[in-house]
Amino acid sequence: EIVLTQSPGTLSLSPGERVTLSCRASQIVNNNFLAWYQQKPGQAPTLLISGASRRATGIPDRFSGSGSGTDFTLTISRLEPEDFAVYFCQQYGSAPPYTFGQGTKLEIK
Amino acid sequence: QVQLQESGPGLVKPSQTLSLTCNVSGGSIKSGAYHYNWIRQYPGKGLEWLGYIYYSGSTGYNPSLKSRLSMSVDTSKNQFSLRLNSVTAADSAIYFCARSRPTSVYFDYWGQGILVTVSS
Repeated sequence: EIVLTQSPGTLSLSPGERVTLSCRASQIVNNNFLAWYQQKPGQAPTLLISGASRRATGIPDRFSGSGSGTDFTLTISRLEPEDFAVYFCQQYGSAPPYTFGQGTKLEIK
Repeated sequence: QVQLQESGPGLVKPSQTLSLTCNVSGGSIKSGAYHYNWIRQYPGKGLEWLGYIYYSGSTGYNPSLKSRLSMSVDTSKNQFSLRLNSVTAADSAIYFCARSRPTSVYFDYWGQGILVTVSS
């Protein structure tokens, strides 16, 4: 089973800032099959990125994903007020189970 | 627009069976284009993939739950179900149903989630 470790656990930032979130895998993620999700309180996660760097339909271009192998990042180029949420990474490159990171919470400074 | 909606009891007694159903609208399960998954989220926010089912009835389960978990599909009602037996307090979580493609298992549509508490 691939373990995903996200860092940091919590980030306090201001609107307009740039932020990079990290997701590190315990083994190589085959085919860079790594997704990112955003979750707001009381809601289901929303898909942001698949295949490490492909934005999902309707996702603003301030969100970008990169990385390969075991190290992946999600960058938000300029934080908007609605971006303060919890972000999860998920790998689907290996046989089940498909696993998630523990999440990074972005909070308003 | 595809929508998924979970339903079932919010309270289950220890040692009993947790049963949930996910109704799919805006797309047919019989299309064969997707897997339909169950995912749960613990109070501490961690997410755990439980398993998937295909329209044909084929399934894939998380090995950690395989002995207690079963899934079924009813294509006539466009819904799929989860049964988790011998539950304990550790099974208390928000349960989500979600859609994925068979070859790329990321989750593009999710239900709103249903809170299930295991308690006597």
